[in-house]
Amino acid sequence: DQQVKQNSPSLSVQEGRISILNCDYTNSMFDYFLWYKKYPAEGPTFLISISSIKDKNEDGRFTVFLNKSAKHLSLHIVPSQPGDSAVYFCAASPNRDDKIIFGKGTRLHILP
Amino acid sequence: DAGVIQSPRHEVTEMGQEVTLRCKPISGHNSLFWYRQTMMRGLELLIYFNNNVPIDDSGMPEDRFSAKMPNASFSTLKIQPSEPRDSAVYFCASSLALQRRHGNTIYFGEGSWLTVV
Repeated sequence: DQQVKQNSPSLSVQEGRISILNCDYTNSMFDYFLWYKKYPAEGPTFLISISSIKDKNEDGRFTVFLNKSAKHLSLHIVPSQPGDSAVYFCAASPNRDDKIIFGKGTRLHILP
Repeated sequence: DAGVIQSPRHEVTEMGQEVTLRCKPISGHNSLFWYRQTMMRGLELLIYFNNNVPIDDSGMPEDRFSAKMPNASFSTLKIQPSEPRDSAVYFCASSLALQRRHGNTIYFGEGSWLTVV
């Protein structure tokens, strides 16, 4: 029973274009959402987060959008660069709880 | 600053053997998490501790798995007896729980790659 769902196992995007990674969640108690990036043979590293009181958070080339009514969030990367090729994990945390639940991840390939 | 330190990085063991994975969280962090990564299930939360106390172990797959945190700077995840289906990458992560609610997050170690043959 996946509470955080990333339905696209992989995504290929041309360098310079926009990458859009999607994530859906089922638990209405989630109030804090995160994206992590993972390179092979390394641990996941934090990328960007958003609180449920916001609908958008931007950090350089990375923007996360949150649609609470649809229980959907997305990560936009623009412009996409070769170093962005990695696995991206969507994650969520319930209200007043410290645990973080991750999705299965989406592998992003940036094509030259 | 040292990050989360895990050992061993790689372990190959025979079915039925005991496996112990170790984690040293970032100094000052008071929450510690054990995750398992597999192709089928992605990153699963196994258990997490707050101030050395286990808070939620609902993700521990079965009684063969156990985790301890005897002090603020050390935790172990033990599998006994190990089975081939336990083969996965096991990640430890830590955070300063109060800060996380204000925008910080959890920090992962590099993982322990376990292969049970």
